Amino acid sequence: EAGVAQSPRYKIIEKRQSVAFWCNPISGHATLYWYQQILGQGPKLLIQFQNNGVVDDSQLPKDRFSAERLKGVDSTLKIQPAKLEDSAVYLCASSTVRGPYNEQFFGPGTRLTVL
Amino acid sequence: EDKVVQSPLSLVVHEGDTVTLNCSYEVTNFRSLLWYKQEKKAPTFLFMLTSSGIEKKSGRLSSILDKKELSSILNITATQTGDSAIYLCAVSQGAQKLVFGQGTRLTINP
Repeated sequence: EAGVAQSPRYKIIEKRQSVAFWCNPISGHATLYWYQQILGQGPKLLIQFQNNGVVDDSQLPKDRFSAERLKGVDSTLKIQPAKLEDSAVYLCASSTVRGPYNEQFFGPGTRLTVL
Repeated sequence: EDKVVQSPLSLVVHEGDTVTLNCSYEVTNFRSLLWYKQEKKAPTFLFMLTSSGIEKKSGRLSSILDKKELSSILNITATQTGDSAIYLCAVSQGAQKLVFGQGTRLTINP
């Protein structure tokens, strides 16, 4: 079974520029998550999709971050414009809906550096 | 506010030692507690705990949940250099949301 795919693996941009990340979840996984992991901290959920609908985006900074999951498969996360504090690893994860228990599988992440 | 706290934040031991990592939580609508190992970027799943007092074991790793104390421990016996990683604890709430702790950075010296 192929894992969660993400691209690019690394990105360096200057502040105020825009950037987009792509995620392809495990085949058949209905739920997709984007996390932000700042150095020295645990992952923080930015947005959760169930198929192509948003379940939770309460911690997404909506003035600059946006995400979509067209057709309920791949997803993109965009930052526009980027700030220095957005430097982090952006992790995508996916899971199946199996009752109340939630084992999430993570992709390799994208390391973003904002200069 | 929901929170998950891990301790210690950092631990350095010698190969062959036994280590115990701690996780405590205060969350609403608790469903399960998960442990992940993060070596480079992607956290990899170790255990999911849902019932109090039942130990889960995988090789030299084991974990147990105490719902009364709102905590869990992860034990690693006979540590090896390959165990060096960040260990993340996360709690699953309703609607499949995971709240992560800040992680414990474990370093095993030869």
